Amino acid sequence: EVQLVESGGDLVQPGGSLRLSCAASGFAFNTFWMSWVRQAPGKGLEWVANIKPDGSEKYYVDSVKGRFTISRDNTENSLYLQLNSLRAEDTAVYYCARGLVGYWGQGTLVTVSS
Amino acid sequence: DIQMTQSPSSLSASVGDRVTITCRASQGIRNDLGWYQQKPGEAPKRLIYAASSLQSGVPSRFSGSGSGTEFTLTISSLQPEDFATYYCLQHNSYPYTFGQGTKLEIK
Repeated sequence: EVQLVESGGDLVQPGGSLRLSCAASGFAFNTFWMSWVRQAPGKGLEWVANIKPDGSEKYYVDSVKGRFTISRDNTENSLYLQLNSLRAEDTAVYYCARGLVGYWGQGTLVTVSS
Repeated sequence: DIQMTQSPSSLSASVGDRVTITCRASQGIRNDLGWYQQKPGEAPKRLIYAASSLQSGVPSRFSGSGSGTEFTLTISSLQPEDFATYYCLQHNSYPYTFGQGTKLEIK
């Protein structure tokens, strides 16, 4: 069974940093593109970033370029999202997703507020 | 960026009704589109991939069609558990973009 479990969400002040993790199991993690998608409270879905199976290609939505970094560790079956220079508008539930956004985790909440 | 215009933004319907939701892409995306269902407090779940392929385990009352710039999600006979918010997602080019969502409510 495919499982994706996010962690690392927290309350952080504007300008702060956070690292989100996604633990994957039940499939060959090192063969899938992986994505992060977010959803601000009461709003729609926004694709944030994705990463190639070997980590050699990464893509981002413009609003996070230069501030967020996606990475993965195929030996640990884990996906990461480093969030720097956080802003209030980054407040959202962050989901990791497999492949062409097929399977989703349950999400982790990031709140940016002073 | 490719804009995905989803309509309607909300819809009231009754159990047993047939409903259709549309997504229009601002440029051609072949069939690089998925449809998702999200219930309150839950993660989204993919229903349809490649515009018209039914995800494993999804009831056959859900169907998708379209290619290029216009796509539809059809629910042939609404069931109580289908009342939720639906989104389309294009993955033809970066950044991937979602439609604004369609909230399907009970009439």
